[in-house]
Amino acid sequence: GNSVTQMEGPVTLSEEAFLTINCTYTATGYPSLFWYVQYPGEGLQLLLKATKADDKGSNKGFEATYRKETTSFHLEKGSVQVSDSAVYFCALRRSGNTPLVFGKGTRLSVIA
Amino acid sequence: EPEVTQTPSHQVTQMGQEVILRCVPISNHLYFYWYRQILGQKVEFLVSFYNNEISEKSEIFDDQFSVERPDGSNFTLKIRSTKLEDSAMYFCASRPLAGGTDTQYFGPGTRLTVL
Repeated sequence: GNSVTQMEGPVTLSEEAFLTINCTYTATGYPSLFWYVQYPGEGLQLLLKATKADDKGSNKGFEATYRKETTSFHLEKGSVQVSDSAVYFCALRRSGNTPLVFGKGTRLSVIA
Repeated sequence: EPEVTQTPSHQVTQMGQEVILRCVPISNHLYFYWYRQILGQKVEFLVSFYNNEISEKSEIFDDQFSVERPDGSNFTLKIRSTKLEDSAMYFCASRPLAGGTDTQYFGPGTRLTVL
């Protein structure tokens, strides 16, 4: 079946450090891939997405590249800020109308 | 910017009671979803709804659950007889079109606590 595996948290970084959160997936066909972010007390917000192999999604300094050969969609940011502290969810969707399949989420804490 | 809203933000209920969780999707959206997240676990799909009927449902969505779009704006999730294991954060989501690659927009969630 379809599934998403992301690195266990929590991840604690100092401000301006480099961030990588690993995400790999198992899916039939060519899913779309997403990163959602959940700030404290809020709902899930789309951070970025990629819909085909080698696409790079980017937003707010975050990037992730759809790697079909390694079935990965790792999230990166060159310099994190305290305001990036949140839970990050990797997700896939098989096709337009199908539901999202989420990973377990990775909690990021950035300290000043 | 339009957003999905959910009420209440927190619901506490006794085991065996019925609860209704309410969502107002973004107004021109056509596809609606409910997901839940048990504390410390994955966000899990419950049900999708399109054209006034269930489009897809997961194993979790058994006879105790139902969804309804009673008017042009609300989208509700009813749990007929709550169990302790229904305690979770419930998220509503909507998307504008059927098909394509457009995004699901999530509400802030309702935290359901079953005692």
